[in-house]
Amino acid sequence: KQEVTQIPAALSVPEGENLVLNCSFTDSAIYNLQWFRQDPGKGLTSLLLIQSSQREQTSGRLNASLDKSSGRSTLYIAASQPGDSATYLCAVLNSGNTPLVFGKGTRLSVIA
Amino acid sequence: GAVVSQHPSWVICKSGTSVKIECRSLDFQATTMFWYRQFPKQSLMLMATSNEGSKATYEQGVEKDKFLINHASLTLSTLTVTSAHPEDSSFYICSASPLNEKLFFGSGTQLSVL
Repeated sequence: KQEVTQIPAALSVPEGENLVLNCSFTDSAIYNLQWFRQDPGKGLTSLLLIQSSQREQTSGRLNASLDKSSGRSTLYIAASQPGDSATYLCAVLNSGNTPLVFGKGTRLSVIA
Repeated sequence: GAVVSQHPSWVICKSGTSVKIECRSLDFQATTMFWYRQFPKQSLMLMATSNEGSKATYEQGVEKDKFLINHASLTLSTLTVTSAHPEDSSFYICSASPLNEKLFFGSGTQLSVL
C-alpha cells in the first residue's frame, strides 16, 4: 500500500528566503506525482505535475524534482513571499485511473 | 483547462438531517470521480470512487449507507451525508480527470453539523 510522507510538517521562514519541501513515498512504481497548494478552508490548486519518466518540472519560482528510484520528491520555492503561505501537499498516482495518495502536507508561513 | 465545480462551498446543518454535495465536471466527461474527506490538520483521505452508471466503491471504514454516492451522468456525481452527526463535520472534496490527464479538484465543501 502506497504511503506518502512529507517533512517538515510546518515551516516558518522570512520573506525572500529559498526553501525546500520534502516528500517521500514507499512504492516507487508511480504513474505521476503532483504538488498542490491548499489555502485554509479552500480546495486544492495543482502546482506541478511530474510524470514518472520526468525528473523535474518548473513553473515560475517553483521547481519540483522527482527521484523515483529512491521514492523522493522535493519542491523548491525561490525567493519566498508572504503570499506563498499555505499548506503544500504532495500526492502520488500509482496507475492511470486510481485515486491520488496524499501526504499530510507542510504548512508554510512566510513572514514579511 | 478542465474545471470541476463543487457545490455548496459550505453548509451548516442540524444533527440528523441529510446533506447533498454536488460535483460537476464542466468541460469534460468523467466516468470516474473521487470523493475525499479532510479533517483539520489531517491529510485528504479517499472515501470512495464514484463510477458512472454503477455502484460506488467505498474505502475500508467508510459506511456506504451513510455516505450515499450517485453518479448518474458523465458530468455529475453527488455525495449525500445521511443523518449527519457532529463527527461528520469535515471538509469534503471531489476530483475528476479527463482521460489520461491530471486530476482536477473541486473547491471543496466545509460541512458543519450542529
